[in-house]
Amino acid sequence: GENVEQHPSTLSVQEGDSAVIKCTYSDSASNYFPWYKQELGKRPQLIIDIRSNVGEKKDQRIAVTLNKTAKHFSLHITETQPEDSAVYFCAATPTGGFKTIFGAGTRLFVKA
Amino acid sequence: EAQVTQNPRYLITVTGKKLTVTCSQNMNHEYMSWYRQDPGLGLRQIYYSMNVEVTDKGDVPEGYKVSRKEKRNFPLILESPSPNQTSLYFCASSWQGVENTQYFGPGTRLTVL
Repeated sequence: GENVEQHPSTLSVQEGDSAVIKCTYSDSASNYFPWYKQELGKRPQLIIDIRSNVGEKKDQRIAVTLNKTAKHFSLHITETQPEDSAVYFCAATPTGGFKTIFGAGTRLFVKA
Repeated sequence: EAQVTQNPRYLITVTGKKLTVTCSQNMNHEYMSWYRQDPGLGLRQIYYSMNVEVTDKGDVPEGYKVSRKEKRNFPLILESPSPNQTSLYFCASSWQGVENTQYFGPGTRLTVL
């Protein structure tokens, strides 16, 4: 079935450094790729998304890139801050548009 | 305030005792979905609903039932809970389908003994 793999599972960076999280998906017809942030004990919240007709999208310190040929997409966080510490989930929408397949998550630690 | 609510937030029960987790949204969203979150597995979709009276299975539907009689409510029913259904459950809603922002509820932590 459809699958989304996410790496790394844990990432530790120094405050001010950049963080990159990578995901690959299996369904080549997938066309919507959101990223969710989940702080400890809280609900997931959308932070950025990208559609298949776009290669890159940026929102302040956060950017997402998509390579449809290779079926992978990445989240880039620049100038990391302690409040960026959370679990980040990537996701993909397979053919049909009503299911969401999530990656296993990346726990990001930003050390002050 | 626009929101998705779930009840109860915490529940400890025993094997085989039927339970219902309620989910309600006040944003007039057509799409609603249930996920379970387990360590190392991320969020896995249980069931989803495209609109009133229209539901379909996600990736892990076994042991669960849902209904969508009203647009705002999407209860999750465990008719005979088992310990492997111990998990953190999230309800989510979006305007139309998953290609729009999904708004998650606060979560329900379920323990089945």
